[in-house]
Amino acid sequence: QQQVKQSPQSLIVQKGGISIINCAYENTAFDYFPWYQQFPGKGPALLIAIRPDVSEKKEGRFTISFNKSAKQFSLHIMDSQPGDSATYFCAASQFSGGYNKLIFGAGTRLAVHP
Amino acid sequence: EPEVTQTPSHQVTQMGQEVILRCVPISNHLYFYWYRQILGQKVEFLVSFYNNEISEKSEIFDDQFSVERPDGSNFTLKIRSTKLEDSAMYFCASSPLTSGSYEQYFGPGTRLTVT
Repeated sequence: QQQVKQSPQSLIVQKGGISIINCAYENTAFDYFPWYQQFPGKGPALLIAIRPDVSEKKEGRFTISFNKSAKQFSLHIMDSQPGDSATYFCAASQFSGGYNKLIFGAGTRLAVHP
Repeated sequence: EPEVTQTPSHQVTQMGQEVILRCVPISNHLYFYWYRQILGQKVEFLVSFYNNEISEKSEIFDDQFSVERPDGSNFTLKIRSTKLEDSAMYFCASSPLTSGSYEQYFGPGTRLTVT
């Protein structure tokens, strides 16, 4: 029940295209859903996050869509660029007493071809 | 922009040896975490730490692991007797003490290689 399932495992997109990565969870107590971007040899960098009281959040070219009833959320990268090539991790957590461990998905390796 | 720093960037040790991984969280953050990532796999939670005590730990965080905040700035992870399977990237993360603040900011990681 603590798992977060992420798909696809890898994704190839042409420059200018839309990249879509999906995640699903089981634990309805989760109340925070961030996406992290990781470049090789670097730590995960917080990209964008959403709380379950909204269905969509947009920051620049990055949009999270959240479907509470289906227990699914997705990351959309509009106008994908070669510089977006990285591994993307979705995560979920339950805020508990001031701390919240993140449960990560398995990651999606995105390659944006020029 | 403030960031989490970690040292060393790479640590090579022999099986059975003790290692200490160091982290300097963002200065106004008071919640601290350690995660690990085995090569090519997902990031896994190890432990959370607040007010000088562990608030939660995972099954991975057994008696061989310990954490400490020895002073006002450092946060350390100690592995007492390393095993081959401890080889991984270890990430420190921190969160601000703000009601309803969920963001965790990760450091660049320490690559631990156990031979």
